[in-house]
Amino acid sequence: AQKVTQAQTEISVVEKEDVTLDCVYETRDTTYYLFWYKQPPSGELVFLIRRNSFDEQNEISGRYSWNFQKSTSSFNFTITASQVVDSAVYFCALHISSGSARQLTFGSGTQLTVLP
Amino acid sequence: EPEVTQTPSHQVTQMGQEVILRCVPISNHLYFYWYRQILGQKVEFLVSFYNNEISEKSEIFDDQFSVERPDGSNFTLKIRSTKLEDSAMYFCASSPTGRSLPGGQYFGPGTRLLVL
Repeated sequence: AQKVTQAQTEISVVEKEDVTLDCVYETRDTTYYLFWYKQPPSGELVFLIRRNSFDEQNEISGRYSWNFQKSTSSFNFTITASQVVDSAVYFCALHISSGSARQLTFGSGTQLTVLP
Repeated sequence: EPEVTQTPSHQVTQMGQEVILRCVPISNHLYFYWYRQILGQKVEFLVSFYNNEISEKSEIFDDQFSVERPDGSNFTLKIRSTKLEDSAMYFCASSPTGRSLPGGQYFGPGTRLLVL
């Protein structure tokens, strides 16, 4: 069975600080995909990134960066120079490609609050 | 950019009543999903649907739930006799195939259901 753990329930930072959100996953499959979604107070789920298990190259997109390490089963997300608009709940999710399992398994989310 | 739409955005109902949540997936997508998020908790998979039948369902998706694709565009989730614990945000999602592609599953904005 798949599992995603986001140990940080809530994080609070002051604007312009860097912040890293942790994600640890469990799966027996060798082919899988990892995602990060942002859920602002309005409630919708906003896709941020997808990563497949064969691509461990870290990725940077503006102020966002992701560190994927298969050796530790982690897929951490860093926001550089945080802004108030980054305040949201962030979910890490896992999708495996084998068998009939097609759903996303979500972590419990990390509530990020960026204070002005 | 095509998007998944959901109606209504909010629904209030009395316990024991039937509700139907509606979704219009992206037009060329083949897989459809329903997820549920109880307030303050993680997003949980309910059911996936492909080729006019359920392909997978979770333990949450019991006999009081049903899904249907009544025509070529809508995808509905019916809760036959609502319970207080059904109060949640319900997300519809669709994907071109069952495998993850860039963007993964595309989520709708959600329907917030409140059962009184």
